[in-house]
Amino acid sequence: DTGVSQDPRHKITKRGQNVTFRCDPISEHNRLYWYRQTLGQGPEFLTYFQNEAQLEKSRLLSDRFSAERPKGSFSTLEIQRTEQGDSAMYLCASSLGRISGNTIYFGEGSWLTVV
Amino acid sequence: AQSVTQLDSQVPVFEEAPVELRCNYSSSVSVYLFWYVQYPNQGLQLLLKYLSGSTLVESINGFEAEFNKSQTSFHLRKPSVHISDTAEYFCAVSDQGGNKLVFGAGTILRVKS
Repeated sequence: DTGVSQDPRHKITKRGQNVTFRCDPISEHNRLYWYRQTLGQGPEFLTYFQNEAQLEKSRLLSDRFSAERPKGSFSTLEIQRTEQGDSAMYLCASSLGRISGNTIYFGEGSWLTVV
Repeated sequence: AQSVTQLDSQVPVFEEAPVELRCNYSSSVSVYLFWYVQYPNQGLQLLLKYLSGSTLVESINGFEAEFNKSQTSFHLRKPSVHISDTAEYFCAVSDQGGNKLVFGAGTILRVKS
């Protein structure tokens, strides 16, 4: 069990550039989540997938954000035309089915700094 | 919709002293409750959870939390803390449909020698 893996761990980008983060969930976990965490705040839900289907998106996920999970395995989170307000840690998590009784496992996060 | 309030942003405490980290939640439906811990430069790890049954739940490293439905609280306690317990602790809630977690803002526990 290698845990939830995220790449890159740190990304510094100029305002207006596009960035993409990758998440590899724990093998056989059919649920995959993306959260965003800013300094001094708890993680905020962005979206989740059941296999390859994106079942819910937060209103925090503006049109500049897109997430995919092709083939129900790894996932990518792309941010287009980055803004300084996008600076945050982006957390990926996975679980086997619904939360009830099943633990959500988090990755170590991808830090984004927009300058 | 659910919400979580962690009443203390930072809690300083001396080693071997007891500690309580407070968490209150709001929900119109029945919930599951969780405490996660985040060590510096690491992801969140589940510390303990309440799903049903006994309202007192324990972790393997000596923490415990008690679900109090009337007070809508899920406070985390440890009778004697160690330096290694220094971390940020997040309380989280999920409705019993279990599709996502809603987190509080976190409490930083600083254990001093």
